[in-house]
Amino acid sequence: GENVEQHPSTLSVQEGDSAVIKCTYSDSASNYFPWYKQELGKGPQLIIDIRSNVGEKKDQRIAVTLNKTAKHFSLHITETQPEDSAVYFCAASDSGGGADGLTFGKGTHLIIQP
Amino acid sequence: DVKVTQSSRYLVKRTGEKVFLECVQDMDHENMFWYRQDPGLGLRLIYFSYDVKMKEKGDIPEGYSVSREKKERFSLILESASTNQTSMYLCASSFLGTDEKLFFGSGTQLSVL
Repeated sequence: GENVEQHPSTLSVQEGDSAVIKCTYSDSASNYFPWYKQELGKGPQLIIDIRSNVGEKKDQRIAVTLNKTAKHFSLHITETQPEDSAVYFCAASDSGGGADGLTFGKGTHLIIQP
Repeated sequence: DVKVTQSSRYLVKRTGEKVFLECVQDMDHENMFWYRQDPGLGLRLIYFSYDVKMKEKGDIPEGYSVSREKKERFSLILESASTNQTSMYLCASSFLGTDEKLFFGSGTQLSVL
């Protein structure tokens, strides 16, 4: 089955700086890669996703890049703000994108230092 | 807004008790899921359901069962709770199809003493 590795487990950045979280996956058949953000006391929420036929996708301050050859994808957050502090999960799907096929990474705790 | 409601935010139970965790969604989603979240282990799928009275095992179904009698409601059952089932439990729902966006509840923190 699919295996998703996520690094780092904790990331601390100064407010206004950029943050990058990286994930690797094992199954070359995976074709859908979402990112979820979990704020304290809440459930995870989808913030951005990318399919395997696209190399990069942006949404305001967040972007995701995908390298199919190397089987890794990354989340980039620019101009970080206090509200970006949360746990971020990457995931990969190997069953046509269906949610039952999602394998999650172990999460990255992003801390924004004022 | 889509709402996925879990019946309890915190729950404390004794070893051996039968435990019911309830989840209700209001968006007429076909799919419903139960995940378990543990520090350093991420989100792990316990069970999911594509339709009423239908259930499929996820990655860690041992010690759990589920019930889906109505489309909007999905229950997770711990037949005989054990201390290693102390965890955060997250319910989620989604539409049937590809690239299914998951909508999560706020979670139930279960402690088994």
